[in-house]
Amino acid sequence: GDSVTQMEGPVTLSEEAFLTINCTYTATGYPSLFWYVQYPGEGLQLLLKATKADDKGSNKGFEATYRKETTSFHLEKGSVQVSDSAVYFCALSEVNTGFQKLVFGTGTRLLVSP
Amino acid sequence: GAVVSQHPSWVICKSGTSVKIECRSLDFQATTMFWYRQFPKQSLMLMATSNEGSKATYEQGVEKDKFLINHASLTLSTLTVTSAHPEDSSFYICSARDPAGRHNQPQHFGDGTRLSIL
Repeated sequence: GDSVTQMEGPVTLSEEAFLTINCTYTATGYPSLFWYVQYPGEGLQLLLKATKADDKGSNKGFEATYRKETTSFHLEKGSVQVSDSAVYFCALSEVNTGFQKLVFGTGTRLLVSP
Repeated sequence: GAVVSQHPSWVICKSGTSVKIECRSLDFQATTMFWYRQFPKQSLMLMATSNEGSKATYEQGVEKDKFLINHASLTLSTLTVTSAHPEDSSFYICSARDPAGRHNQPQHFGDGTRLSIL
């Protein structure tokens, strides 16, 4: 079945550092790809998405590009803030369920220190 | 603002009791809702897909009789953990799919319910 692999954390950075969280996927067809963020004790919030190859999703300074050739969707941010500390999940929507079901990676915890 | 409301946010109860968690879509009719379970520092595991007016579809390995799902209306799905035991302690998250696809996302998530069984 479809799967998502993302780098293990925690990722520990100082404020204003550059962030990359790697994500690769295995899927049938061409899924849509997502990054979700989870703050402590809360549910998931959609951070950004991309629906086709070479699409770039962006939001709040975060970016990720749908790379079909490398089956990747790495999350980047040029300058992180303490408030970005959270758990980040890469996910895809399964084509064979009509894009209804989401498959999540294991999550990467980001810790940003002042 | 939130488009999916999940209640309660935190519950502690004794072993052997049953616990009901509610998931409501606030500004759309959700024909499909999803229930996830999240273990500490792990990803979300899809437990079941809840379809309005029909039986839920459970993922492999999820006990139907333990985790009862009811989706009696287009805005409400409930998950009941029956005869809960300490191993059922976890963070449960629901999500709802907006058929109209508003807000440009596939599923809207609730804030989760932390269940602790003593």
